[in-house]
Amino acid sequence: GAGVSQSPSNKVTEKGKDVELRCDPISGHTALYWYRQSLGQGLEFLIYFQGNSAPDKSGLPSDRFSAERTGGSVSTLTIQRTQQEDSAVYLCASSLEVGRNSPLHFGNGTRLTVT
Amino acid sequence: GNSVTQMEGPVTLSEEAFLTINCTYTATGYPSLFWYVQYPGEGLQLLLKATKADDKGSNKGFEATYRKETTSFHLEKGSVQVSDSAVYFCALSGDQGGKLIFGQGTELSVKP
Repeated sequence: GAGVSQSPSNKVTEKGKDVELRCDPISGHTALYWYRQSLGQGLEFLIYFQGNSAPDKSGLPSDRFSAERTGGSVSTLTIQRTQQEDSAVYLCASSLEVGRNSPLHFGNGTRLTVT
Repeated sequence: GNSVTQMEGPVTLSEEAFLTINCTYTATGYPSLFWYVQYPGEGLQLLLKATKADDKGSNKGFEATYRKETTSFHLEKGSVQVSDSAVYFCALSGDQGGKLIFGQGTELSVKP
């Protein structure tokens, strides 16, 4: 079956522009997670959704970052006024349910480069 | 808070060598433990998991045992192949909505 799909796979943007990253989770998965992967920082948790609600957004680095999820499915991560330090691979994952025993399934990520 | 510490890489081995990648964790309660693998140019894939003390997770010849007394979850494989070259991430999931806390990753390079 289809896995987690992220788009675009690559995005180059100028400093100061806004970007939107999209995630399509596995059908039927209620939980959705966003992570950021960068050199020297490893894998950082950003936010997770249970349905359309975000019980934990503690990892969002600043108020320039926001995310939403609609219809319990697709999620978008928006970065406003991008900065060079936002350059990273943004990973989305979904799981069947929220809970420590439900493994996360990751997409291939969106590589964001801010010039 | 919860955290995961992995041995630093890169680890370079010859084909058919024995592999150990150390992983220790700090957590409250009873976390689940995972190993994920990222092959070059690909996304993260679940390799194996263990959900309670003394459980052994295994997959593709890799094994890891959940050791509560030493708070460890070391990854082992008896005979590595060139195709095992990848970055390996140890992770835990506690009582925080199922989110994973990752170690820094260990790069493995297997030479023929």
